[in-house]
Amino acid sequence: QSALTQPPSASGSPGQSVTISCTGTSSDVGGYNYVSWYQQHPGKAPKVIIYEVSKRPSGVPDRFSGSKSGNTASLTVSGLQAEDEADYYCSSHAGSNNPFVFGTGTKVTVL
Amino acid sequence: QVQLQESGPGLVKPSETLSLTCAVSGGSIINNWWNWVRQPPGKGLEWIAEIYHSGITNYNPSLKSRITMSVDKSKNQFSLKLTSVTAADTAVYYCARSPGSWFYDFWGRGTLVTVSS
Repeated sequence: QSALTQPPSASGSPGQSVTISCTGTSSDVGGYNYVSWYQQHPGKAPKVIIYEVSKRPSGVPDRFSGSKSGNTASLTVSGLQAEDEADYYCSSHAGSNNPFVFGTGTKVTVL
Repeated sequence: QVQLQESGPGLVKPSETLSLTCAVSGGSIINNWWNWVRQPPGKGLEWIAEIYHSGITNYNPSLKSRITMSVDKSKNQFSLKLTSVTAADTAVYYCARSPGSWFYDFWGRGTLVTVSS
């Protein structure tokens, strides 16, 4: 099972929006509405910010939103803030034999 | 608030077995899936394995021949064994909870395991 494809980097100025893509196949992203997104600051554990494609856990700002079209999921961070600078990983269910597959990760820089 | 804490040796010799335990506090180990995820230095996340409180397991196909997971409900903890390790197994190992819907809501802080002689 190959990793999901994400752009290595993305950037934006404070207040702007940035969108990160996560491309898989019909066996993972396209086949299930079980895409999640994680934010990871240096030296810290990942933190879930989106699950089931577009749901936000309690406490996650509504600046973070998720969507999916076909085999590609997307995370949009609106109104960028300095603390949004981090690595972001997508993950998808990929069937009973390989329940979780992660994306390659995207480093978001706030200019 | 559920908390997870990994423990185990930080250094393992090549060809030996890596053993880690994750202690769960603030909640029961019952009715959730418990996972191991690793991250080599400077690289991305890789799912290793998961176990249900009943002992049902799922393993990453690429690691399946070397993995064993177990759960100890009496101690509210679960464990990972990875045999025949090489330098490629050097990583920060995280334990994490999946409440269903195939995502992780609680993570441990991670423990760095280095494979070196």
